[in-house]
Amino acid sequence: NAGVMQNPRHLVRRRGQEARLRCSPMKGHSHVYWYRQLPEEGLKFMVYLQKENIIDESGMPKERFSAEFPKEGPSILRIQQVVRGDSAAYFCASSRLGPASANYGYTFGSGTRLTVV
Amino acid sequence: KNEVEQSPQNLTAQEGEFITINCSYSVGISALHWLQQHPGGGIVSLFMLSSGKKKHGRLIATINIQEKHSSLHITASHPRDSAVYICAAALYSGGGADGLTFGKGTHLIIQP
Repeated sequence: NAGVMQNPRHLVRRRGQEARLRCSPMKGHSHVYWYRQLPEEGLKFMVYLQKENIIDESGMPKERFSAEFPKEGPSILRIQQVVRGDSAAYFCASSRLGPASANYGYTFGSGTRLTVV
Repeated sequence: KNEVEQSPQNLTAQEGEFITINCSYSVGISALHWLQQHPGGGIVSLFMLSSGKKKHGRLIATINIQEKHSSLHITASHPRDSAVYICAAALYSGGGADGLTFGKGTHLIIQP
């Protein structure tokens, strides 16, 4: 069981380019969560997805950011027209059960470190 | 809105010392997580608690639901325990999900 796989580990983009971050959940996990960790700040929730559905995107910036979790393939966090302030570590976690279950267990990926130059 | 406060922010100790990191939260939660993050590294989930106490090796996590407080203890600390320890509270909102609310982390350094 390979755990939660995120790629790339490091991503450098110029201002105005698009960034695509991928997250493959653990086998058997159908719930995916994205978090952002800005330099010198704590982790912040961005979005929670189940297969083909966005359940909660209350933490996502309204513009330029989108997320999907298709029926086949990894979850994708997409940032369009990146700006320097988007530089951060983006972490994905997955769980077998949803947060409404008392014992859902999170497994985190190693993160993607995005640098916008 | 749930606030999660951790203390101390920074902690330096000598190898072998008993370490305690505290976490307080402001609203009722369904579970509390303790996470470990090494410099430049990923995040490892150490514990998820909804009541009582859990132990794994030299790590012990406790939670007091009434007092809205949790502690992470490390016995016989070792330099390899040096990391950021993050407390995260999970809200149970029933129809949706708020994900986790994170504390700012405790930077622990264990000196040999």
